[in-house]
Amino acid sequence: NAGVMQNPRHLVRRRGQEARLRCSPMKGHSHVYWYRQLPEEGLKFMVYLQKENIIDESGMPKERFSAEFPKEGPSILRIQQVVRGDSAAYFCASSLGQGAQQPQHFGDGTRLSIL
Amino acid sequence: AQSVTQPDIHITVSEGASLELRCNYSYGATPYLFWYVQSPGQGLQLLLKYFSGDTLVQGIKGFEAEFKRSQSSFNLRKPSVHWSDAAEYFCAVVGRNNNDMRFGAGTRLTVKP
Repeated sequence: NAGVMQNPRHLVRRRGQEARLRCSPMKGHSHVYWYRQLPEEGLKFMVYLQKENIIDESGMPKERFSAEFPKEGPSILRIQQVVRGDSAAYFCASSLGQGAQQPQHFGDGTRLSIL
Repeated sequence: AQSVTQPDIHITVSEGASLELRCNYSYGATPYLFWYVQSPGQGLQLLLKYFSGDTLVQGIKGFEAEFKRSQSSFNLRKPSVHWSDAAEYFCAVVGRNNNDMRFGAGTRLTVKP
């Protein structure tokens, strides 16, 4: 009865390196959302994906950030050339279908620290 | 602009006391409304949601929330708080035609013995 699985739980990178965050949605879910949470703040929407498609990336920074959700395998949030300001908790959520009425189930997050 | 405001950053209540966490939203139309709870180091767990119909909604763990259109509010309540309720609580809204869920900044609840 696995929920949304995110790995790694903690990730440390030096400035300029790449960070890859993985999210496996709940079984049967084909819709994935990524959020970023800065300290003392709420979650900020980044991107919404369905299998092989980016549906809404209005919350993604224009540079260095990308996301994918391939036909097989987990969804990946990729951050290139990380900077100190990228330090945050990144949460993935999945839902069964499209639309706001479909509840989003959250993973436990990946805490990214940039040295 | 669409926004969610949780006016209280931190609330402390005694175990067994009642609780109300405030949430106000600014939206063009009535959005879908949610309350989530986050324990330290964990993801978010859905407590309850409002889509339409009865403005008083019941959730898990004994929580309820009331939607008041005239006040653009969706306050969370619990009649008797337990020590295990200590956590961070987030109010969230999403438009009926999009997937951009917006969260408030959260209210941290501390429960005194």
